[in-house]
Amino acid sequence: AQTVTQSQPEMSVQEAETVTLSCTYDTSESDYYLFWYKQPPSRQMILVIRQEAYKQQNATENRFSVNFQKAAKSFSLKISDSQLGDAAMYFCAYRSPQGGSEKLVFGKGTKLTVNP
Amino acid sequence: EPEVTQTPSHQVTQMGQEVILRCVPISNHLYFYWYRQILGQKVEFLVSFYNNEISEKSEIFDDQFSVERPDGSNFTLKIRSTKLEDSAMYFCASQILGTGGTEAFFGQGTRLTVV
Repeated sequence: AQTVTQSQPEMSVQEAETVTLSCTYDTSESDYYLFWYKQPPSRQMILVIRQEAYKQQNATENRFSVNFQKAAKSFSLKISDSQLGDAAMYFCAYRSPQGGSEKLVFGKGTKLTVNP
Repeated sequence: EPEVTQTPSHQVTQMGQEVILRCVPISNHLYFYWYRQILGQKVEFLVSFYNNEISEKSEIFDDQFSVERPDGSNFTLKIRSTKLEDSAMYFCASQILGTGGTEAFFGQGTRLTVV
C-alpha cells in the first residue's frame, strides 16, 4: 500500500519570504499522481497544485511550485512571496491510477504560519 | 462557484447512537467519497461511490458504516452504533471524473464527537 509522509508538523515563514514544505511517499507503481491541498482554518481543502509522475517537468501555479524527484520519491512544495492568506494546513496526497476508485492517500499535514 | 456542502458542521452524539452525516456534492460530479481525520492523525479514506454503488472501501468501513445517495443530490454517511473511536472530522468529496489527475472537491467537514 502507498504511504505519504510529511515530516514537518509545523512551519513558519515571514511574509514575502519563501518556504518549502516536504513530502515523501512510498509506492511500487511507476505512474501515479501527486497533489498538494491547502486547508485554511475552518474552510474546506482546496487544490493547490498537482503533478503527474510521468511528466518530468515540475508543476507551477503562480507562486506555488513543486520539486518532484521521482527516484527519491519526494514531492516538496515551494511557496514564493508568502502572503498572510497562505496560512493554512497543507496536505500532500497520492493517487494511484489503479483500483478504480481514485482515492487519495494523504500525509498528516503541515501547519504553515505566515508572520507579518 | 459550486462547492461541496456538509451538514451539520458539528455533531455530538452518545455512544451507541446512530448518526447520519450529510453532504451535497457538486451537481455534475459522478464520484463521491468520504474521508475522516482523527485529531492529530492522517486524513484516511473511508469509501468511494460511483454509479449508485460502492466502488471501494477501506478496512475502517465496516458493517457499522453505510452510504447512500437517496435522491440524486444528497450523499450520506450513516454510522449505525457509534463508538468513542469514531470521534473525528468527516470530509465528503466529489469529482467530476474518476481519472487520476482529476481534482477532488472537499466539503468543510463535520466534526463528530462521541461521548
